[in-house]
Amino acid sequence: QVQLVESGGGVVQPGRSLRLSCAASGFRFSDYGLHWVRQAPGKGLEWVAVISYDGGNKMYADSVEGRFTISRDNSNSTLFLHMSSLTTEDTAVYHCARVPAPYCTSVSCFRYYMDVWGKGTTVSVSS
Amino acid sequence: DIQMTQSPSSVSASLGDRVTITCRASQGISSWLAWYQHRPGKAPKLLIHAASSLQSGVPSRFRGSGSGTDFTLTISGLQPEDFGIYYCQQADTFPPGFGPGTTVD
Repeated sequence: QVQLVESGGGVVQPGRSLRLSCAASGFRFSDYGLHWVRQAPGKGLEWVAVISYDGGNKMYADSVEGRFTISRDNSNSTLFLHMSSLTTEDTAVYHCARVPAPYCTSVSCFRYYMDVWGKGTTVSVSS
Repeated sequence: DIQMTQSPSSVSASLGDRVTITCRASQGISSWLAWYQHRPGKAPKLLIHAASSLQSGVPSRFRGSGSGTDFTLTISGLQPEDFGIYYCQQADTFPPGFGPGTTVD
């Protein structure tokens, strides 16, 4: 069964850091790119970042560029999102989601739909 | 970036009803559109991609149509598990952008 499970969320003060994880199972993790997508309270879905299957290409939304870092450990089938300089605007449920095309390394396929999602992990930034 | 809008923002429906949700893109996106269902506490679920292609395992009561800037998701014969929020997403250009969502309750 293809599955993505996020963890690492919690309550954090503004300006602090947090690292999220996304554990994958049921498919060959190292063949697929992955996104982070978030949903703030009362808002819709917002794309955050994407990483290619080999970790060689990463892209970020303007709202997180320079503060967030996406990475992956293919040997342990895990995706990460390191978030720093957090603000209240970063409060959201964070989902990981799969790029449907294997071996994708560029925006030509990063733009596609997302075929597998996790339930998400909640990040609350508050003093 | 391409902007996506949806209407209505919410719809009240009963079991067995036919529900229609509209999605509009700020510029033409050909058939590069996906629809997702998001139920509280669950993972978002891909329903339709390429505007009208049903994702494997999704019931045939879900139907997508449209191209260019105007798209429609139709649910025929609403079932209890269909209540939730529905999002469209443009897949024409990077970054992927989502509509604001339509709540079906």
